[in-house]
Amino acid sequence: GAGVSQTPSNKVTEKGKYVELRCDPISGHTALYWYRQSLGQGPEFLIYFQGTGAADDSGLPNDRFFAVRPEGSVSTLKIQRTERGDSAVYLCASSTTTGDEQFFGPGTRLTVL
Amino acid sequence: KQEVTQIPAALSVPEGENLVLNCSFTDSAIYNLQWFRQDPGKGLTSLLLIQSSQREQTSGRLNASLDKSSGRSTLYIAASQPGDSATYLCAALTGANSKLTFGKGITLSVRP
Repeated sequence: GAGVSQTPSNKVTEKGKYVELRCDPISGHTALYWYRQSLGQGPEFLIYFQGTGAADDSGLPNDRFFAVRPEGSVSTLKIQRTERGDSAVYLCASSTTTGDEQFFGPGTRLTVL
Repeated sequence: KQEVTQIPAALSVPEGENLVLNCSFTDSAIYNLQWFRQDPGKGLTSLLLIQSSQREQTSGRLNASLDKSSGRSTLYIAASQPGDSATYLCAALTGANSKLTFGKGITLSVRP
């Protein structure tokens, strides 16, 4: 596609449930990033992939969060046992390679009731 | 740890005014600095990227400058228009991990 796409655009779930958020990067981009943005704040880094491997997952808040990118393209962010504090907009970005300009998707707004 | 600050948090100007948005960062060892625009409820649109070796970049009515030694970047918007109303975020790319560290953004309102 022309840009980074994310699905779903909105996700409402109940506390304790499991959710998956999907990111389709720009075709040919080898680097993929996940960020989380709370209301009134700038995005905060979660995890970064170069190819299929997670090069840096230091931003994941705890072991309930996990992300994969099995074929080096689409990535899925997985959140287990969701908590109300997980409510935020989850943004995905991709770049040609490490250190290049990052292009962001529209985000997934996650609401945990 | 890199910290990025944008002050003020909000700005309101009349249409046609030239304006400067400020961004400061604590770690001067940046790889590049990127300016973004975010409309309410939307994702981030990349406006300008300045490499660490560059002093400025221009795109249309936008000009971004970078002074690594003082830890500052500015985004200059010429002849502002109501359509420029949005939140503007700066982000610094630091180190080998390539993560962007963002400021909280400046919410700009351009009054007709």
